[in-house]
Amino acid sequence: QVQLVQSGAEVKKPGASVKVSCKTSGYTFTSYYLQWVRQAPGQGLEWMGIINADAGTTYYAQKFQGRVTMTRDTSTSTVYMELSSLRFEDTAVYYCARSGRTTGTYWGDYFDPWGQGTLVTVSS
Amino acid sequence: EIVLTQSPATLSLSPGERATLSCRASQSVSSYLAWYQQKPGQAPRLLIYDTSNRATGIPARFSGSGSGTDFTLTISSLEPEDFAVYYCQQRGNRQYTFGQGTKLEIK
Repeated sequence: QVQLVQSGAEVKKPGASVKVSCKTSGYTFTSYYLQWVRQAPGQGLEWMGIINADAGTTYYAQKFQGRVTMTRDTSTSTVYMELSSLRFEDTAVYYCARSGRTTGTYWGDYFDPWGQGTLVTVSS
Repeated sequence: EIVLTQSPATLSLSPGERATLSCRASQSVSSYLAWYQQKPGQAPRLLIYDTSNRATGIPARFSGSGSGTDFTLTISSLEPEDFAVYYCQQRGNRQYTFGQGTKLEIK
């Protein structure tokens, strides 16, 4: 079955960077886009951006442009999300999720499945 | 950016009752509307995609409807495991947004 398994929780100081991994299995890695969504404590879901697992191209939500970098490693079927210049308000659970096929006409209409989430805490 | 507004914020019902959750978009999203269920400490789970299609393994008591700017998730007869937070999500032109969520709680 399709699985997305994320790296463990992180605690970072303001101004630092964090890199979260998302290892996929159960399907052809390069056939799908992967997306990142975050959720602050007690809050809703916020889309961060997308990576084409085949071409490696990315698109980031305007809010995160300049601070986020998404990459992929096709040899290990893993995608990464790095967020820099961390602020207290970046404390959140970060999720990866699979979306549409890379051969399709769009990035995909929905997210399925999701990784289990990675808690990133920004604290001094 | 397309804004999704969900109502009500909290819905208090009993098992066996019918639940109707609403999601309104600030502009048309065509039929590109999905619904997710999230339980405490868990990742969201896809329930409905493209307005009315149930995801794999989702029980028939969950149904979606609507078009354009107004969408509804209906749970025909609530089971104890259905009490959770529900989010709608749309895909626009190079952006995705979520509603703020509806908490479905036991009355």
